[in-house]
Amino acid sequence: DTAVSQTPKYLVTQMGNDKSIKCEQNLGHDTMYWYKQDSKKFLKIMFSYNNKELIINETVPNRFSPKSPDKAHLNLHINSLELGDSAVYFCASSQAVLAGDPETQYFGPGTRLLVL
Amino acid sequence: GNSVTQMEGPVTLSEEAFLTINCTYTATGYPSLFWYVQYPGEGLQLLLKATKADDKGSNKGFEATYRKETTSFHLEKGSVQVSDSAVYFCALVNSWTNTGKLIFGQGTTLQVKP
Repeated sequence: DTAVSQTPKYLVTQMGNDKSIKCEQNLGHDTMYWYKQDSKKFLKIMFSYNNKELIINETVPNRFSPKSPDKAHLNLHINSLELGDSAVYFCASSQAVLAGDPETQYFGPGTRLLVL
Repeated sequence: GNSVTQMEGPVTLSEEAFLTINCTYTATGYPSLFWYVQYPGEGLQLLLKATKADDKGSNKGFEATYRKETTSFHLEKGSVQVSDSAVYFCALVNSWTNTGKLIFGQGTTLQVKP
């Protein structure tokens, strides 16, 4: 069973378009994250939600808007895509802060976004 | 601020060689430390972790010891296999702030040749 899943796996689109990436976790976790991995493999957090509430927003352009309809889902919508948005986007989840192991994050397989 | 620095890659080894990937960190408070591994075309998997000074994390023959005095968490394996070829990331979570924000090093690519 897939623990953290993302769709789509690959996304190729034109500059200026709007696109969404979906993430779902079936681990019962309360906290979900979005990370961006650039072409040099460097990973940086973008957002974190705890039980549908935004808790981390790392100075990401406001063209990026996360949405959490429930605690098992965290979607990422990107408006007016730019060339520099090309990257691999990873979703992750972890247990609630008061649960047994709140610090270990479980990652999805990634969405490879290419903006042309 | 919090940061993680890893040795530059790629690291190229022959099968059965000894592996060390250096990792040092800067953090306020008492961070927990992690090694994640990313196999080609896949997401990140937790390899091992340590939550306090002198703890040793271990998994699949890999080990790392949390050294507060040298602010290090070096990854070691006694005998690498071709299947260990991947990108390895050292990371920390600052338990002091407890936001769950993982700070990653830049990653070290390991290539193991038969």
